[in-house]
Amino acid sequence: DVKVTQSSRYLVKRTGEKVFLECVQDMDHENMFWYRQDPGLGLRLIYFSYDVKMKEKGDIPEGYSVSREKKERFSLILESASTNQTSMYLCASSLGRDSEAFFGQGTRLTVV
Amino acid sequence: TQLLEQSPQFLSIQEGENLTVYCNSSSVFSSLQWYRQEPGEGPVLLVTVVTGGEVKKLKRLTFQFGDARKDSSLHITAAQPGDTGLYLCAGHNAGNMLTFGGGTRLMVKP
Repeated sequence: DVKVTQSSRYLVKRTGEKVFLECVQDMDHENMFWYRQDPGLGLRLIYFSYDVKMKEKGDIPEGYSVSREKKERFSLILESASTNQTSMYLCASSLGRDSEAFFGQGTRLTVV
Repeated sequence: TQLLEQSPQFLSIQEGENLTVYCNSSSVFSSLQWYRQEPGEGPVLLVTVVTGGEVKKLKRLTFQFGDARKDSSLHITAAQPGDTGLYLCAGHNAGNMLTFGGGTRLMVKP
């Protein structure tokens, strides 16, 4: 079975802190995604990576950056956390175009 | 941004009723997918539709992709409490990016 693992289920950080959210997949997938999910807004794409060291901005990249140094690992970085970044963050991976996306269980981040 | 709009946002029905959820866009997608998400979990794929006009059935769920590949629908027959959850449509663009709609939260009461 494909497994996508996010490093934390729950995280509480202070405003201004630098926050790292880690995601690892074990199926050699090319594509990896970071989304945030807020009530009534569905999943909004933050960043997408289609290969090692390659990334594309999604719909809401402001305030975030990403790193993909190895194929299996995709990190989301909040350079200076703010309260409006309190949300559920979901990582996903897929083999290629039109393929199924497999999701991690999510990280619920609270910025205080 | 290729927007996907889902309707309705919320749906509360009695067990045994039928329902249809819609996913619409002004953009053409190479494929559309439907996912279901339960509380505390990530979304899980239900189906992928690729060909315009395609119809796929999964037990009591029927999925249709529009002829122009811009929209899709999910029809549930004789809904059961186990169908309760958040239903999300998602589309792939030419560059492999996967965009989601806002979701339909379904509650089926016994």
